[in-house]
Amino acid sequence: AQKITQTQPGMFVQEKEAVTLDCTYDTSDQSYGLFWYKQPSSGEMIFLIYQGSYDEQNATEGRYSLNFQKARKSANLVISASQLGDSAMYFCAMSEFNFGNEKLTFGTGTRLTIIP
Amino acid sequence: DGGITQSPKYLFRKEGQNVTLSCEQNLNHDAMYWYRQDPGQGLRLIYYSQIVNDFQKGDIAEGYSVSREKKESFPLTVTSAQKNPTAFYLCATSKRGAVTNEKLFFGSGTQLSVL
Repeated sequence: AQKITQTQPGMFVQEKEAVTLDCTYDTSDQSYGLFWYKQPSSGEMIFLIYQGSYDEQNATEGRYSLNFQKARKSANLVISASQLGDSAMYFCAMSEFNFGNEKLTFGTGTRLTIIP
Repeated sequence: DGGITQSPKYLFRKEGQNVTLSCEQNLNHDAMYWYRQDPGQGLRLIYYSQIVNDFQKGDIAEGYSVSREKKESFPLTVTSAQKNPTAFYLCATSKRGAVTNEKLFFGSGTQLSVL
């Protein structure tokens, strides 16, 4: 089974609208972390937001929030008031602690295009 | 300015040739990583290093080699044994390794193509 599943290969969203990027994960660990990264056309991956498995509150970073539903193993990224600069690839990732060898697994990504 | 520098931005390899991708960081981070990115796929870990003079294989280490002689540098050699090297290669660092909440900092990548 896939560790990280991003079911939306591409999305088109009107500027200033909110957008939700889906991410589901699969792990039997109790302690894990969930990340979202943005990859613009320049290629560099940029950290956006982090959620720990024990965090009770959803993480927020400016216009980014992570909708964490632990029972459903879901960690969707919500971008409020989208901007043209938000057009990029977005990757969900999960880190699992493995006795000193942390393993980070990435999803296949969602290409987000913001339409003026 | 602080950050991670990858060079070259584009690299071409001939059949049977070894090539080396450079990754230098001035963030004073302990851990460094090499990832491979293929179209339509997520990043896959090639090698990582948590301290100088020590490194571990990732999920797809075959056909690659690394060294970590200095904290700032983590070069990746793509050997002739790697039969399908065409991909985008990303170097990353984190302040520490082996911690679930450590975010990664990435370089701007190297696109490797086979002639």
